[in-house]
Amino acid sequence: GAVVSQHPSWVICKSGTSVKIECRSLDFQATTMFWYRQFPKQSLMLMATSNEGSKATYEQGVEKDKFLINHASLTLSTLTVTSAHPEDSSFYICSAGGGGHTGELFFGEGSRLTVL
Amino acid sequence: AQSVSQHNHHVILSEAASLELGCNYSYGGTVNLFWYVQYPGQHLQLLLKYFSGDPLVKGIKGFEAEFIKSKFSFNLRKPSVQWSDTAEYFCAVLMDSSYKLIFGSGTRLLVRP
Repeated sequence: GAVVSQHPSWVICKSGTSVKIECRSLDFQATTMFWYRQFPKQSLMLMATSNEGSKATYEQGVEKDKFLINHASLTLSTLTVTSAHPEDSSFYICSAGGGGHTGELFFGEGSRLTVL
Repeated sequence: AQSVSQHNHHVILSEAASLELGCNYSYGGTVNLFWYVQYPGQHLQLLLKYFSGDPLVKGIKGFEAEFIKSKFSFNLRKPSVQWSDTAEYFCAVLMDSSYKLIFGSGTRLLVRP
């Protein structure tokens, strides 16, 4: 299957700082990328859908000014957690679709964010 | 509201036991169905998927799932589990051919050697 890579896989930051997480599709062009958040022992919660070259679509309850998503190219989407607080600590996972893999999504390894 | 339900949150089995994990969804339109697996410390991987055709789908590692439209279900089965099947299993549904995956809450499977 196709490969999606996230970076960094682990990040610790101080409260009030901003953190950027990258999601790359390595061997296909992803027209659509998704960002999920996974709390411990819980399922994945869809945060937003990003389409290359357009604004992201956020799910209800997700603050778009706090979780900035940029999908500047067909192989890269970034999630920036702005002014991070301890409650933002979580496991963030991206997935990518498109590239001929109709209906199937490929997931990144996830990025664990810890805000002190 | 559209939702996906997994009935078993934790399952403990001995090796060679049979496995069935339940998954139900609430949506009356066209769906594509998936089971993903997350092994400890690893990312999500696709186990199997159903788009159309034969409702009995065979996936990797001996897993299979059956789509029963009348019951809105897509249960995962394996006749004989192995210790290496210890993982968390997520059912997911795409509704109306969109890319928006809705996940169930997951089932943690522990297989004792």
